[in-house]
Amino acid sequence: DAKTTQPPSMDCAEGRAANLPCNHSTISGNEYVYWYRQIHSQGPQYIIHGLKNNETNEMASLIITEDRKSSTLILPHATLRDTAVYYCIVQSAGNKLTFGGGTRVLVKP
Amino acid sequence: NAGVTQTPKFQVLKTGQSMTLQCAQDMNHEYMSWYRQDPGMGLRLIHYSVGAGITDQGEVPNGYNVSRSTTEDFPLRLLSAAPSQTSVYFCASSWGTGNTEAFFGQGTRLTVV
Repeated sequence: DAKTTQPPSMDCAEGRAANLPCNHSTISGNEYVYWYRQIHSQGPQYIIHGLKNNETNEMASLIITEDRKSSTLILPHATLRDTAVYYCIVQSAGNKLTFGGGTRVLVKP
Repeated sequence: NAGVTQTPKFQVLKTGQSMTLQCAQDMNHEYMSWYRQDPGMGLRLIHYSVGAGITDQGEVPNGYNVSRSTTEDFPLRLLSAAPSQTSVYFCASSWGTGNTEAFFGQGTRLTVV
């Protein structure tokens, strides 16, 4: 399974865009990049996923580099409720999701 | 549509006791899985199932059993609880492989004393 590397933590100002990087240099051609977040100790919440094209939904945008070795999750206007741990995951065969340590994002007023 | 429901939400066990953590989903998902999350850590996969009657081991299966007799239910059994199994347990479900999102339950917080 491809592994991901994320910074352990980052701060963001409320109302500003939050850009969360993820490295997945060993990703294979048919593996998707997924982003989930976990607020406090709740169950993880799906945010967005993509294969090679950039994706956008009501929560965020996902930018995947052309070589697919890295990606960036963009929260366009961070709010205090976006404070959470964000997980970048590469999906393997059989739909196994392998979680790493994630990035702890603190949105500050 | 309740999504993924886990019961109980909290449980305290004595070392050596057994118990079953329940997980049910009402979305007709084929794939279900169990994770554990220790304090300050990410989630680790215990067992997963790709459909009724089919289960497989994840990263940390020792001390746990699963079965999948129906599409809706995927119980996790602790055979003989140990303090090292103190953790928060999450169940997840999703459609088939590939281009799909997983839905997670709200977790079961288990303490083994």
